[in-house]
This record gives sequence, structure tokens and C-alpha cells, in this order.
Amino acid sequence: AQSVTQLDSHVSVSEGTPVLLRCNYSSSYSPSLFWYVQHPNKGLQLLLKYTSAATLVKGINGFEAEFKKSETSFHLTKPSAHMSDAAEYFCVVSENPGGYNKLIFGAGTRLAVHP
Amino acid sequence: DSGVTQTPKHLITATGQRVTLRCSPRSGDLSVYWYQQSLDQGLQFLIQYYNGEERAKGNILERFSAQQFPDLHSELNLSSLELGDSALYFCASSVVDSPYNEQFFGPGTRLTVL
Repeated sequence: AQSVTQLDSHVSVSEGTPVLLRCNYSSSYSPSLFWYVQHPNKGLQLLLKYTSAATLVKGINGFEAEFKKSETSFHLTKPSAHMSDAAEYFCVVSENPGGYNKLIFGAGTRLAVHP
Repeated sequence: DSGVTQTPKHLITATGQRVTLRCSPRSGDLSVYWYQQSLDQGLQFLIQYYNGEERAKGNILERFSAQQFPDLHSELNLSSLELGDSALYFCASSVVDSPYNEQFFGPGTRLTVL
């Protein structure tokens, strides 16, 4: 069965410092992987996706993620945090068992950015 | 703005009642998905419709049901409401039913059951 583990429930960084949000997955199939962001009282917005093309994926707002099959990881990074990056981030795996598109969400990582 | 709309934004009701949440997908999207987000369960997939037909079921209670209409909008019906049904309910849509296509999420409906 597929699953997603976000290794940190909370991450706190200072503005201008790098961000690392960690995600490990398990999947019986060849997965698609996504990172979504949820700002307070808002819906989820797609940051980036991996669909078996390039292993280093660039997303919006300077975020990127690297798919490492040997480590079953899909960590999200950003070189320099902005105050506006404070939000909850979800790592998501998508599979197509039985012919339908199923998203499995991680528990989320809440990112705090301090001045 | 994802292009997915949900109404109402907030809903406050009492235990035992029935409510209907509405979702309009992005123009051209055939798939609609419903999710529940609660503090204790996180984000969970409830049900999916594709071009009017039920496609997949997740952790959806028997008291809940959904449908997708010919104009592709969808409604999620929650009945015999309990305190534990209080949550944020999201609708998402995608063009086709593929694991490679991202889903676009609406702003959610916050349901409070008193």
C-alpha cells in the first residue's frame, strides 16, 4: 500500500535562510509525486510535480524538489525563505490503481518564517 | 485562483441535520474529487466522479453521498450530522483521470456542527 511520511510536523527558519521540508514515500507502482501548499484559510495550491521525467523538479516561487528513487524521497527545498512562504506544505503521492487517480496526502509540515 | 468554486464558504448547523455542499470544477475538467480535512484525520479522499459517473470511493461514510450533474458541477450531501463531521471540505478537479495530472483545489467549505 502506498503511503507518504513527512518527517517534520513543524519547521522554523529565518527569512533569507534555506528551507528543507522532508518527504518519504512508499508505493507499489511508479508514482507521481506532488507538493501542495496551503496558506491559512485558503485552498491547496500546487507547487510542483514529478511524473517520471527529470528527477529535479522546479516549481513556483523558487521551490524545487528532487526525486530519489533509491532513498524513496522527494524533499522540497528553497534557497532563501520569504515571510510569505509561511504556510502548511503537503507531500502527495498519486497512483492509478484499478484505473482511477488516487491522491495520498502526507500529514503536512507547517513552515514558520521568522524575520 | 484555481478556477474551482465552492459554496458556501462557511456552514454552521446542528447535530442530526443534513447539508449540501456545492462545487463547480474548472472549465473543461471532467473529474471532481471531494476531500475532508480535519485536525485528527488530516486530508482524506472521500469520493471521485468522472463525467457524471462515480469513479472511486475513499473513506466516505454511508451518511455521506455525492453526485455530479450533466453540467459537471458536483454536490456532496452530508446527513445525520455528528460533531465529528466538523471539518473543512475541499473539492478538486482535473481534466482527466490520470495520476500525472494535478488536481486543482477549491477554497473549501468549513462545516461546523454544534
